[in-house]
Amino acid sequence: EPEVTQTPSHQVTQMGQEVILRCVPISNHLYFYWYRQILGQKVEFLVSFYNNEISEKSEIFDDQFSVERPDGSNFTLKIRSTKLEDSAMYFCASSLGGGDQPQHFGDGTRLSIL
Amino acid sequence: RKEVEQDPGPFNVPEGATVAFNCTYSNSASQSFFWYRQDCRKEPKLLMSVYSSGNEDGRFTAQLNRASQYISLLIRDSKLSDSATYLCVVNLAGYALNFGKGTSLLVTP
Repeated sequence: EPEVTQTPSHQVTQMGQEVILRCVPISNHLYFYWYRQILGQKVEFLVSFYNNEISEKSEIFDDQFSVERPDGSNFTLKIRSTKLEDSAMYFCASSLGGGDQPQHFGDGTRLSIL
Repeated sequence: RKEVEQDPGPFNVPEGATVAFNCTYSNSASQSFFWYRQDCRKEPKLLMSVYSSGNEDGRFTAQLNRASQYISLLIRDSKLSDSATYLCVVNLAGYALNFGKGTSLLVTP
């Protein structure tokens, strides 16, 4: 069964450093997403991406965050200057269509900010 | 008011039991509904979409009541492998999925 893959599985970074999280969505999917889950809390939406542009973003997704699809397969999330509160599990997801189409999640990148 | 509310549990049930989870959502304009399961420190995995007419997938039955803004999940003949956190998920109309905090299920031998 096709799956969303994410790298690295765990990233440890000093506060203030830039970090890039990488994702390879399912190959025929057209919509891509980033979510995060702080330990013990619910999964929170960050951003959705379609047709090479952001289609929706949450209040969490401020100027420190950016997304990019640099080639035909990768989808990245960049955090420019990390803060302690950015420590979380970051999940990438993809879907065939928008709206009522189910989103399929990668196994996540655990980001630890020191 | 929380957008998606679930009883956190935990629900402890013996193997073979039937267990039901409920969920309420606050925005009546919500369009799509799902149940996901999440094992400890793993990614959410789609269990099933929830349709207005109700739907079944093997031992799992989901119901949606739009008037009451209420979603349910019934698990029959529980297995040890059903132990997980069950996430009620709602899509308003765009792309963002709104997750509940989840209901924890432990199935015991």
